[in-house]
Amino acid sequence: GAGVSQSPRYKVAKRGQDVALRCDPISGHVSLFWYQQALGQGPEFLTYFQNEAQLDKSGLPSDRFFAERPEGSVSTLKIQRTQQEDSAVYLCASSLWTGENQPQHFGDGTRLSIL
Amino acid sequence: GDSVTQMEGPVTLSEEAFLTINCTYTATGYPSLFWYVQYPGEGLQLLLKATKADDKGSNKGFEATYRKETTSFHLEKGSVQVSDSAVYFCALRISSGSARQLTFGSGTQLTVLP
Repeated sequence: GAGVSQSPRYKVAKRGQDVALRCDPISGHVSLFWYQQALGQGPEFLTYFQNEAQLDKSGLPSDRFFAERPEGSVSTLKIQRTQQEDSAVYLCASSLWTGENQPQHFGDGTRLSIL
Repeated sequence: GDSVTQMEGPVTLSEEAFLTINCTYTATGYPSLFWYVQYPGEGLQLLLKATKADDKGSNKGFEATYRKETTSFHLEKGSVQVSDSAVYFCALRISSGSARQLTFGSGTQLTVLP
């Protein structure tokens, strides 16, 4: 398929463990976004990349959260020393560029459960 | 800061009923407005959008009009189907400055009964 692909689809970890979530954007898409969606809520912005440059990380909730996109395509969101409040669905979205009329295409998300 | 307020759900309708889901926004700039839909077990899909005041977005029988005077972008459909059962999210994106992310409302769960 040509959509945004996220893996794993589900992740269960014990409190204190580190996790890594992967996003494969649509080929050729310059912009990549990470969002966090708590149960029953709308997605909330975490961070944004344009190619390999992380231009905005204002939504990352703590320094335990780290994201990278080293070659301007695949991105990884890493959460260190996970806490129960990190349990959520993590959504990745990509767009061709950041122009006004460019829609963001979302992946199916990774559901993270911290025990 | 920028925010979106949606009509609280859940909303339950019979097939062929008229649907309205209210959405209002607060923004410091000039936002583009969006409706996204999330079907069970699937990711968010763009349903429709409007980029300036008085624009009407439409898709799959759904419509929403960008009302600057009331800062609203209500979603409507004249005759819903069982297949429209999903969670609907209103969202905005500021068109100026460096911000590029979407700001979402909390979502409205719609269930359509046969």
